[in-house]
Amino acid sequence: ETGVTQTPRHLVMGMTNKKSLKCEQHLGHNAMYWYKQSAKKPLELMFVYSLEERVENNSVPSRFSPECPNSSHLFLHLHTLQPEDSALYLCASSQSGAGTQETQYFGPGTRLLVL
Amino acid sequence: GQNIDQPTEMTATEGAIVQINCTYQTSGFNGLFWYQQHAGEAPTFLSYNVLDGLEEKGRFSSFLSRSKGYSYLLLKELQMKDSASYLCAVRDGDYKLSFGAGTTVTVRA
Repeated sequence: ETGVTQTPRHLVMGMTNKKSLKCEQHLGHNAMYWYKQSAKKPLELMFVYSLEERVENNSVPSRFSPECPNSSHLFLHLHTLQPEDSALYLCASSQSGAGTQETQYFGPGTRLLVL
Repeated sequence: GQNIDQPTEMTATEGAIVQINCTYQTSGFNGLFWYQQHAGEAPTFLSYNVLDGLEEKGRFSSFLSRSKGYSYLLLKELQMKDSASYLCAVRDGDYKLSFGAGTTVTVRA
C-alpha cells in the first residue's frame, strides 16, 4: 500500500522533447523528494522540498527542473535530456519535524527511457 | 562523501534465515532505515534503528551498532515473496537519506 502516486509510470522521449513527471502524496506530509535510481546503483537524491521550499539540490543538471506548487504535489520538468538520464525516477514524501522518525514513503516510480 | 556497503546478492532456501549486512561511513548519523523493493515497484519501509540494539517486527529484525557503523537485517522463515532487493539507508542530516546499492535476495524452493 502506498499513499504516493506517480504519473506516468512509463515514458519514452527523444532528446529534444519536453515532458513532466507528476507526483502526488495523500499522507498529509510536509516534505517531498525526487530520487533517480539507475541499475545496480544506489538511489541518488535529486531534490528536496519542505513546506514547499526547496531545501536540497544535489548538483543536478539544469535539464531537470522541479516544481512544488503545494505540499501534496511535486513535478519534475524534463528538457533536452541525454540517454544516460534513462532511469527510474522515484518520488517520496515524509513528515519532518522535531520528534518525528521522518520515514520516507515512496511512489512506484516513472521508468524513463531517453532515445 | 558517504559510503554505504552491502552485499550485491544473496540466495537462500525457503524456510531458512538470511542476514543482510550493511556497513556505513557517513558524515553524520540520525537513523538507519531498511527498505524492501520488488522489481518494478516502490521501495517499502521495513525498519528503523536510531539506538544500538535489535528491533523485531514479525519475521524481520534489524540490528544497529553505531560505534561499529554496522547494521544487519535478519529475515526469518523465508518465503518466496521475500525475493526482492533490500536497501540500507542512513539519514546523515536533515532530510537526506544516503542509500546503499541494495542486496538482491533470491529465495529458492
